[in-house]
Amino acid sequence: DVKVTQSSRYLVKRTGEKVFLECVQDMDHENMFWYRQDPGLGLRLIYFSYDVKMKEKGDIPEGYSVSREKKERFSLILESASTNQTSMYLCASSSGTSGSTDTQYFGPGTRLTVL
Amino acid sequence: EDQVTQSPEALRLQEGESSSLNCSYTVSGLRGLFWYRQDPGKGPEFLFTLYSAGEEKEKERLKATLTKKESFLHITAPKPEDSATYLCAVSPRYAGNNRKLIWGLGTSLAVNP
Repeated sequence: DVKVTQSSRYLVKRTGEKVFLECVQDMDHENMFWYRQDPGLGLRLIYFSYDVKMKEKGDIPEGYSVSREKKERFSLILESASTNQTSMYLCASSSGTSGSTDTQYFGPGTRLTVL
Repeated sequence: EDQVTQSPEALRLQEGESSSLNCSYTVSGLRGLFWYRQDPGKGPEFLFTLYSAGEEKEKERLKATLTKKESFLHITAPKPEDSATYLCAVSPRYAGNNRKLIWGLGTSLAVNP
């Protein structure tokens, strides 16, 4: 079974703090994704990565950055947290471009609250 | 513009009352269509992938079907534990390394005992 883990289930931070969210997958997947999910807005893609050290902006990258130094690990960084970044953050992974499926497998999510 | 629309937004059923959820899509070429289940406060759980019109897949009380414009998730004799939000997503035929999905907003299903 594919397993995607996220570093924290719940996180509370102060405005202006630098926040790191980490995601690890154990299926040797090439693609990894970071989403945020808000009521009424659905899943919105922040960034994705299709290889180590490669990244592309999603639909809402402003205020975020990412890092992928190893294939299994994808980190989301909030450089200076703001209250409008309070949300559920979801990490996902999928097999590479040579794979026949784009099925994404999700982690349990991190509920981030910025005060 | 690539788009996925799910209906209804919310559905309440009695235990045993069968029904269907709809996912209509507009994309420039379809690589695949995906159904997920999401429980409150948790990450989406993969259910099915469908690749071509006419394809069907089943899992317990759920059956997913696909046409050229929409997909249905049929729920037969649902139980309270089927209560969840069901999400639909499509993978368009983008060039290159782009493997992102286009997501619908989901259908929130409640099954009363």
